[in-house]
Order: sequence, then structure tokens, then C-alpha cells
Amino acid sequence: QQQVKQSPQSLIVQKGGISIINCAYENTAFDYFPWYQQFPGKGPALLIAIRPDVSEKKEGRFTISFNKSAKQFSLHIMDSQPGDSATYFCAARSGGSYIPTFGRGTSLIVHP
Amino acid sequence: KAGVTQTPRYLIKTRGQQVTLSCSPISGHRSVSWYQQTPGQGLQFLFEYFSETQRNKGNFPGRFSGRQFSNSRSEMNVSTLELGDSALYLCASSLGQGEAFFGQGTRLTVV
Repeated sequence: QQQVKQSPQSLIVQKGGISIINCAYENTAFDYFPWYQQFPGKGPALLIAIRPDVSEKKEGRFTISFNKSAKQFSLHIMDSQPGDSATYFCAARSGGSYIPTFGRGTSLIVHP
Repeated sequence: KAGVTQTPRYLIKTRGQQVTLSCSPISGHRSVSWYQQTPGQGLQFLFEYFSETQRNKGNFPGRFSGRQFSNSRSEMNVSTLELGDSALYLCASSLGQGEAFFGQGTRLTVV
């Protein structure tokens, strides 16, 4: 049973465009939603995270939008750059567990 | 501050063999988690150790086991390897409650 569903599986965007990755979750006990970025040959690294008491969080070109009633959250990458080409994972974690549940990942390619 | 170190980086094993992977966490981190990453399934949680005790366990068969030493270093063992065990195995360390930091992983290929 996949508790965090991520889409799309792959995404191709032109330089300067907006990349959007969506995730949906089932477990209402989740209270922390991080996004990870993984480059080839590297482990995932925390990119940005949000808690459900806010609807949006922005860090530079990266923004998380959160819709608690719909149980959905998304990552927006503004002005996408070739250096953003990587695999992105959304995740969700509940306060009672320190172990996040990951989405299956989105492979992003940004063409120059 | 040194990051999470996993050794070896690459391994090729034959079906039926066993393998041991090692993870050295960030200094001061007492929690070590292990994940299996495959193209089809994404990141699957294996288990987590905190102060030498297994604190959480994922849904993997008993062929997958781990342990943690008093210096927080951790090892993961897979016995009777199957072709489907081919994956990137990732280790992550944390202080226990906070954010986890991942190593670069060990790429295991079973032939």
C-alpha cells in the first residue's frame, strides 16, 4: 500500500520554465512533509519541508504548496535550471515516528 | 563536519551469497536508518537503530538484518542473496528526532 503517491514519474522542462511535482497522502497523522533532491551517484538531500499549519513555504526558487483538506502537497521550481536536473522525492512523517514514508520519485530534466 | 560514510560503494555478489554493508554516521548522531532504493519501488525503509537498539523495522524478510555498535556505526547484512536484492542501499543518520542525512549509498548487484 503506497501511502504517499507522487506524480509525474518523469518531467522535462525547458530552462526558465516552472517544474511542478505533486504528492498525495492518505494518513492524516502525517505532520511533516519534506522534499528531497537526489543527484546521480549521491544520496537524497533535504531540499525544503513544510508542516500542515501553513499553506505555502518558499525558499529561493523552491516553493511547497500544501492543501490539508485535499491531503495534497506540491513542489514548484521556478525559473528551472539545468543544474536542477535530479530526482525529487516527496515524503511524509508523523510525530510518533521519525521514519518518513517516501513517494516513488520524479526524474526532472531541465533542457538548456 | 564529515558526512555519512558508506562502504563499499559498489558490490557484485552471486545469488545465494551473503553481504555486509557498513555505515558510519555523522559524529554525534545516534540514529541510523537503512533504505533500499530501486527504480520501481523508490525508497523503501528497512530498519532504524538508535543507541544500539532496533527502534523501527520495515516490511522486509528476515534475510535482511542489521546492528549498531557502541560508536553508532551500523552494519546491514543480507543473507541468501536473490536477484531482486540488487539495489542501492542507503544509510541515513540523525540525532534521533530531527532531520536525517543520507550517505551516498552502496550499489549492490546480484548476479
